[in-house]
Amino acid sequence: GDSVTQMEGPVTLSEEAFLTINCTYTATGYPSLFWYVQYPGEGLQLLLKATKADDKGSNKGFEATYRKETTSFHLEKGSVQVSDSAVYFCALSHQAGTALIFGKGTTLSVSS
Amino acid sequence: KAGVTQTPRYLIKTRGQQVTLSCSPISGHRSVSWYQQTPGQGLQFLFEYFSETQRNKGNFPGRFSGRQFSNSRSEMNVSTLELGDSALYLCASSLGSGTISGNTIYFGEGSWLTVV
Repeated sequence: GDSVTQMEGPVTLSEEAFLTINCTYTATGYPSLFWYVQYPGEGLQLLLKATKADDKGSNKGFEATYRKETTSFHLEKGSVQVSDSAVYFCALSHQAGTALIFGKGTTLSVSS
Repeated sequence: KAGVTQTPRYLIKTRGQQVTLSCSPISGHRSVSWYQQTPGQGLQFLFEYFSETQRNKGNFPGRFSGRQFSNSRSEMNVSTLELGDSALYLCASSLGSGTISGNTIYFGEGSWLTVV
């Protein structure tokens, strides 16, 4: 079945460092890909998404490109802030339904 | 505009009891879906309702059920609670069914269920 694999955390960075969180997927067809973020004590927020190959999603300085040839959707940010500390989830879904399949999540901790 | 509202936020139940969780979607949203989040299994899809009809169901036992009302509000019920049902239950809403372009899924803050 479909699945999403994320790099294990936690990821610990200093403020202004470059961030990469790896995400690869296994799926039939052409799923949509998402990154969600969960701040402490809060629900999930959609960070960015891409619905077809080579699409680049971006939001709040974060970017991810849908790479079908490598089945990847890595999250990047050029300069992280303390406020970016959160858990990041990579997810996929087929257009046929709303069901999102999530990775295990990667905890990011940014220190000043 | 109000977000997805879930009640109660925290609850403790005893093994064997049942529980009902409530979700009010964003105004105008017709799709409501439910997810279970645990440290071991991560986020897992339970079911989705659209216009009062169950559209999609995850791989959970029949003890987990849900429904949607005509005003799009949804409830999920877990009967005969087990210790392993302790989790954060997240509700999400969207305008339409499916993750087509433009149909963003919004999540609530969740209901924390502890089974003792």
